[in-house]
Amino acid sequence: NAGVTQTPKFRILKIGQSMTLQCTQDMNHNYMYWYRQDPGMGLKLIYYSVGAGITDKGEVPNGYNVSRSTTEDFPLRLELAAPSQTSVYFCASIPSGTDIQYFGAGTRLSVL
Amino acid sequence: GQQVMQIPQYQHVQEGEDFTTYCNSSTTLSNIQWYKQRPGGHPVFLIQLVKSGEVKKQKRLTFQFGEAKKNSSLHITATQTTDVGTYFCAGYTGNQFYFGTGTSLTVIP
Repeated sequence: NAGVTQTPKFRILKIGQSMTLQCTQDMNHNYMYWYRQDPGMGLKLIYYSVGAGITDKGEVPNGYNVSRSTTEDFPLRLELAAPSQTSVYFCASIPSGTDIQYFGAGTRLSVL
Repeated sequence: GQQVMQIPQYQHVQEGEDFTTYCNSSTTLSNIQWYKQRPGGHPVFLIQLVKSGEVKKQKRLTFQFGEAKKNSSLHITATQTTDVGTYFCAGYTGNQFYFGTGTSLTVIP
C-alpha cells in the first residue's frame, strides 16, 4: 500500500450514526484524496487536499466533511449516515513531482 | 460536468486472446492514468500518458492517448490468468481525477 493506511477495514453503521474514516500516510505527500466506489462502478472523488490546512470538494461531497491539520492525516467524517453512503472508501496520496496515486486498502462501510 | 466513459463494462476472453478497453472523456485532459484493481483489492497504478498521441508499452500491455487528449485505450496481447481484474482509466484535470467505470476482465484458462 506504499504507506497509506486506512482504518477501520470494515464498519456497519445504523442510519443517523456518525463516524470518522481515518487515513494516514508516512511519506510526506502533500496531495491526498478520498474516493468512494460503489459496486461495479468507478471511483468518485469526495474531497481532496493539496496540503495541510487546505481542502476542496470533489464530485460527490454531500454528506461528508474532511480536515487536514497535518500532512500525514486526512480523516473523512460522516455526520448522519444514510444507506446511500454504503460503499467502499479509498484514500490515496500523491508524492510531490508526480501524479501517481498510492491507494490505501479501503474501508468497507455498510449503513443499515 | 466532467465525464469519463469506459467500454466495455465486462470482457471474457480465452487465455491467449487479446483484450482492449477504451476510455473517452467529455473534455480535454491534462493527462490520463490507468489502474488495475484485483477483486477485493485497491487500485494499483499502471501508467500515465501525458502527450498527445503518446504510446507506451509495458511487456504485453500497450497504452495509447488520443491526439485530442480526450480518449485512451489499453490493449493486452495474449492474455494470461494473472491479467484478471478491473482496469480503470483516470483522467486528470483541475487537480482532480475522474475515473472511468472500469472494464472487468475475466480470463478463461
